[in-house]
Amino acid sequence: DGGITQSPKYLFRKEGQNVTLSCEQNLNHDAMYWYRQDPGQGLRLIYYSQIVNDFQKGDIAEGYSVSREKKESFPLTVTSAQKNPTAFYLCASSRRQDHQPQHFGDGTRLSIL
Amino acid sequence: ILNVEQSPQSLHVQEGDSTNFTCSFPSSNFYALHWYRWETAKSPEALFVMTLNGDEKKKGRISATLNTKEGYSYLYIKGSQPEDSATYLCAPRDDKIIFGKGTRLHILP
Repeated sequence: DGGITQSPKYLFRKEGQNVTLSCEQNLNHDAMYWYRQDPGQGLRLIYYSQIVNDFQKGDIAEGYSVSREKKESFPLTVTSAQKNPTAFYLCASSRRQDHQPQHFGDGTRLSIL
Repeated sequence: ILNVEQSPQSLHVQEGDSTNFTCSFPSSNFYALHWYRWETAKSPEALFVMTLNGDEKKKGRISATLNTKEGYSYLYIKGSQPEDSATYLCAPRDDKIIFGKGTRLHILP
């Protein structure tokens, strides 16, 4: 079955460490997205990519980095510059046509030790 | 689109009753609006994609309407069932998608 796989489901990080969240899709979608959810908040866009080797900052990109070397993969690195990284992270993908809905992964919950 | 409001934030409905909730958004530069259902321990799933003023979409007992001129969309659930318990997200977009905080629906047996 086609879908989006995020790994790991739970992730713990020591302060000062970078950590990378994986997102892989086999839906042949051009566009991929990273969102963050905090308690009482909606999904906030961190980064998105419409095509391989290109990506744009979302609303809360500071302290994060991404790469898009392959169509199927859009890893998110939470750097030590992100002061409040504890959150639930969701990856999504969609066809490039603008009105297409997004397909989501199951998410990764990141906690700071 | 800077400000997306969903109301109510939380809703308790008796099984068998019908219900509705609202998504409000600035009406300028509207392109499309998505509704998603997000069940606990699962990933959000798309319910509807709405693009035209006056659009009405239906999927089983769930339907949605769109008014782009006044900037709102309603989601209706007829004859609520336990499996309808979820958070319902709306996401209007102009040049990018902005998600509302969602309406958390609890169906009471």
